[in-house]
Amino acid sequence: GQQLNQSPQSMFIQEGEDVSMNCTSSSIFNTWLWYKQDPGEGPVLLIALYKAGELTSNGRLTAQFGITRKDSFLNISASIPSDVGIYFCAGPSPSFLSGYALNFGKGTSLLVTP
Amino acid sequence: DADVTQTPRNRITKTGKRIMLECSQTKGHDRMYWYRQDPGLGLRLIYYSFDVKDINKGEISDGYSVSRQAQAKFSLSLESAIPNQTALYFCATSDFTGELSSYNEQFFGPGTRLTVL
Repeated sequence: GQQLNQSPQSMFIQEGEDVSMNCTSSSIFNTWLWYKQDPGEGPVLLIALYKAGELTSNGRLTAQFGITRKDSFLNISASIPSDVGIYFCAGPSPSFLSGYALNFGKGTSLLVTP
Repeated sequence: DADVTQTPRNRITKTGKRIMLECSQTKGHDRMYWYRQDPGLGLRLIYYSFDVKDINKGEISDGYSVSRQAQAKFSLSLESAIPNQTALYFCATSDFTGELSSYNEQFFGPGTRLTVL
């Protein structure tokens, strides 16, 4: 599958701080997705982006679909302890034959201290 | 009740044993997937199924097999488990709108943590 490069690998921040993470690919994506995985759980979709340049918010989360279609950013404002988890970027494989399975980045592990 | 369930949640087994992981869903989705998660590697696709009669290999299918017993059930088997198959395994489902250009959200189960000694 297409490789997604996600950074940073981990973040250790204080409650109230803003967080920014990004994902890049050598190939173009038509959709960018951001998932969060809580400890001991499966990933849950946070935000889906469908158009280059699109900026979408979900509460304190904001994600952008890069204009080149090769990158995406996720920002979390005023972090709280329940933001702890692993954040994954993902993009659907463009080939119908692959069933639109997801290519995942390696994840950004976020730790928030009170 | 959870829409996507996986059993068992945890399993410890020995090298060479046959293991089956089961996934059930009540979402009525046609498409089901098995992923493997290793620390620092994200999730990688093992197998996927469009419907009961359709099974396809994913990125890392070697050493695994699957069975789609019904629309709601998709099982993953390790015929002869080996230590490097120690990982967290996720089942996921998605709907299909009939539009090839569209993406449908995938819903994940809670995972099965498998340890092969």
